[in-house]
Amino acid sequence: EAEVAQSPRYKITEKSQAVAFWCDPISGHATLYWYRQILGQGPELLVQFQDESVVDDSQLPKDRFSAERLKGVDSTLKIQPAELGDSAMYLCASRSRDRLWDTIYFGEGSWLTVV
Amino acid sequence: GDSVTQMEGPVTLSEEAFLTINCTYTATGYPSLFWYVQYPGEGLQLLLKATKADDKGSNKGFEATYRKETTSFHLEKGSVQVSDSAVYFCALSIAQGGSEKLVFGKGTKLTVNP
Repeated sequence: EAEVAQSPRYKITEKSQAVAFWCDPISGHATLYWYRQILGQGPELLVQFQDESVVDDSQLPKDRFSAERLKGVDSTLKIQPAELGDSAMYLCASRSRDRLWDTIYFGEGSWLTVV
Repeated sequence: GDSVTQMEGPVTLSEEAFLTINCTYTATGYPSLFWYVQYPGEGLQLLLKATKADDKGSNKGFEATYRKETTSFHLEKGSVQVSDSAVYFCALSIAQGGSEKLVFGKGTKLTVNP
């Protein structure tokens, strides 16, 4: 069964350093999402792509976070500089283009600890 | 704005007990409703969904009915197992301008003891 791939699974970084997460969605999925899940809370949308275009980044802290999906396939989420409050799990998800209510599939997530 | 409210956990049950996790929503449009499950250390898996009022989603013995009149989507299971221990998230999906995103509740942690 096709999966959303994410790496790294775990990352420990020092405050003020840069960190990046990578996501490879299910093949052919046009829509890609990055969510942030703080421990004990539900996921919150950071950014949504349709192909290579950003369709929603209203909740992305743009002073330190950036996201790209240059060729409309895989995506990178970057944080620079990292802050203690960025410690969370970063989830990537994807959905096909075909039907509006098609299932959104999630990857296993990337755990970030900022020390 | 659109939001989801879930009953606060944690919920602890004995094996074979009946499970209910309450979920209510607020939405300006006509959302689809979902339950996702997250096992320890893993990402989210879709458990079930309903796309319109009075639809019932079901999977692995879990059920939830889309109740528009009460804006609710409560999750139920008649007999839980130890393997059902996980965090359960209720979510709604709103389509706007050709795109769709999920809005999640805070999650309810379920522990089932043998």
